This record gives sequence, structure tokens and C-alpha cells, in this order.
Amino acid sequence: KNQVEQSPQSLIILEGKNCTLQCNYTVSPFSNLRWYKQDTGRGPVSLTIMTFSENTKSNGRYTATLDADTKQSSLHITASQLSDSASYICVVGVNSGGYQKVTFGTGTKLQVIP
Amino acid sequence: DVKVTQSSRYLVKRTGEKVFLECVQDMDHENMFWYRQDPGLGLRLIYFSYDVKMKEKGDIPEGYSVSREKKERFSLILESASTNQTSMYLCASSPILGQGRQPQHFGDGTRLSIL
Repeated sequence: KNQVEQSPQSLIILEGKNCTLQCNYTVSPFSNLRWYKQDTGRGPVSLTIMTFSENTKSNGRYTATLDADTKQSSLHITASQLSDSASYICVVGVNSGGYQKVTFGTGTKLQVIP
Repeated sequence: DVKVTQSSRYLVKRTGEKVFLECVQDMDHENMFWYRQDPGLGLRLIYFSYDVKMKEKGDIPEGYSVSREKKERFSLILESASTNQTSMYLCASSPILGQGRQPQHFGDGTRLSIL
């Protein structure tokens, strides 16, 4: 069964600190891995997308890494800000016929405190 | 910027009612999706559509139907609402071309309560 597991479930950090969120997956055949940010009461917004051949992708203070051999990804947030408080969702895509099928993780809830 | 608009942010309905959730996207995307999001379960796919009048069942289609009469509009229908359909419903769209490298664009969700 295709699964995406994220850790930790929740995290509290001080403003200005760095943090790393983890994602392990068993999805096959792998096509791509995406990280989304979801603010409270809003829809998810894409941060990064990586395909099999990419092992790192940055978007400002967000850096995602991918190890397709161990089926692990991480999202590193540098110099956190209060606005980083959100849920971060890892999503893995597979090719299924002519369209993409995606499997969502349950997310990591990050709280940045002053 | 892609905009996906869901018609209601909050909705309260009664058990047994027929409920319509509407979603419109403005980027001419072929793919449109309906998800529900529940605490601890992540997003689960209800239905998706890859073209006008085309629809495919997702992982949890029971109790739901969809309609796509125009490319920009995708409607989710709860045929006879039940309390276990209380949830956050999210609509998304994406292009078919290069879909492996294109994100899904989400609306801000409809929080539906069935009493």
C-alpha cells in the first residue's frame, strides 16, 4: 500500500531557529515529491517539487532534499519566522496511466514562537 | 497567479439534505480534484476529472457524486448528507501537460458541518 509518513507530528521552535521536517514514503513507482505549506484555514500552497533525478530544491528559506534510494525527504527551514507557523505536507506522486496519482502525508504542524 | 475559488468557506446543513459544493478555476486547467481533509488522516481524494464531462472515482467516493459541465467548474454533490461527512472539503486544479512537475493549486476550502 502506498504510504507517506511524516515526522514529527508537531513541533514548536523559537523564532530565528532552524528546523528540519522528515518524510518517508513507500509509494511506487515514484514520479515526484512535493512539499506544501498550509496556513490555518487556507488551502495548501506548493513550496517545492522534486523528480527522481533531483536531490535538492530551494525556495527562499525552504530547502527540500530527496534520497530516492532510501525513500526519504526532508524540508529544512532556515531562520524561522512567525509566518512559518503552519502545517507542512509531504506529497508523493506516481504515474498511473495518463495522469498523476498523489498520496498525501498527514503533515507536520509547526509553531514558531517569539 | 492561478486562482481556485470555492463558493462557500463555511456551510451548515442537515442530515438527509442534498448539498452542492462549487469550485471554479481560472487557469484553463484540465485536471480538477475534490478532497476532504480530516485531522490525522491527511487529504483523501473523493473524485477527480481530467476533462469536461469526465470523472473518475478517487479513494473515498461513497456518498458523493460530481459534475463537470464546463472546464472551469467542478461541483461536488452530497446526495444525502450524513454526519460522517462533516469535514473540510478542498478543491484543486492542475494542468495535464507536464503534470509531473506542476503543483496542484488549491482553493481555501469549505468547512462543512452536517447536523
